[in-house]
Amino acid sequence: QVQLVQSGAEVRKPGASVKVSCRASGYTFTTYDINWVRQAPGQGLEWMGWMNPNSGNTGYAQKFRGRVAMTSNSSTSTAYMELTILRSEDTAEYFCARGLFAFDSWGQGTLITVSS
Amino acid sequence: QSALTQPASVSGSPGQSITISCTGTSSDVGGYNYVSWYQHHPGKVPKLIIYAVTNRPSGISNRFSGSKSGNTASLTISGLQAEDESDYYCSSYTSSFTYVFGTGTKVTVL
Repeated sequence: QVQLVQSGAEVRKPGASVKVSCRASGYTFTTYDINWVRQAPGQGLEWMGWMNPNSGNTGYAQKFRGRVAMTSNSSTSTAYMELTILRSEDTAEYFCARGLFAFDSWGQGTLITVSS
Repeated sequence: QSALTQPASVSGSPGQSITISCTGTSSDVGGYNYVSWYQHHPGKVPKLIIYAVTNRPSGISNRFSGSKSGNTASLTISGLQAEDESDYYCSSYTSSFTYVFGTGTKVTVL
């Protein structure tokens, strides 16, 4: 069955960076986009960007452009999301999600806490 | 890109039908048939329940249905059950080759 397994929770100080991984199994990794979605405490879902593991093409929400990078390693079927210049407002649960036009499988989430 | 507009909360009694609206613009909801809906129980992973406006993934109850008119998409839950109490989010593809989520709706079963 399709599974997306994310890396564990992280704590960072303001101004630092964080890189979250998302390891896929149960399907051919290069045939589906990977999207990243976050949910801050008490807030709704927020789409951050997509990455195509086959072409390497990416698309980011304007809010995150210049501060986010989405990459992948096809040999390990793993996608990565790196967010830089972290601020307290970036404290959230971060999810990877598979799909084009709709997100049919999700990782379990990774809690990123930004605190001094 | 602004979030799509959803009502903050909708409630209904068991067995009733409720409808959640999702309003965007001609650059997202109105411009593409790529509206999807997600059920998200707090502390769990979001679950896709409708894709491409009207389609249900395998295993999703036919009590969930989707539609769209102009810039507004809708999710209808018929025969409301206690297990339907959750947060619901719409999402749409946009003209910027990106996606946007709705503001979210909390469904309460009375």
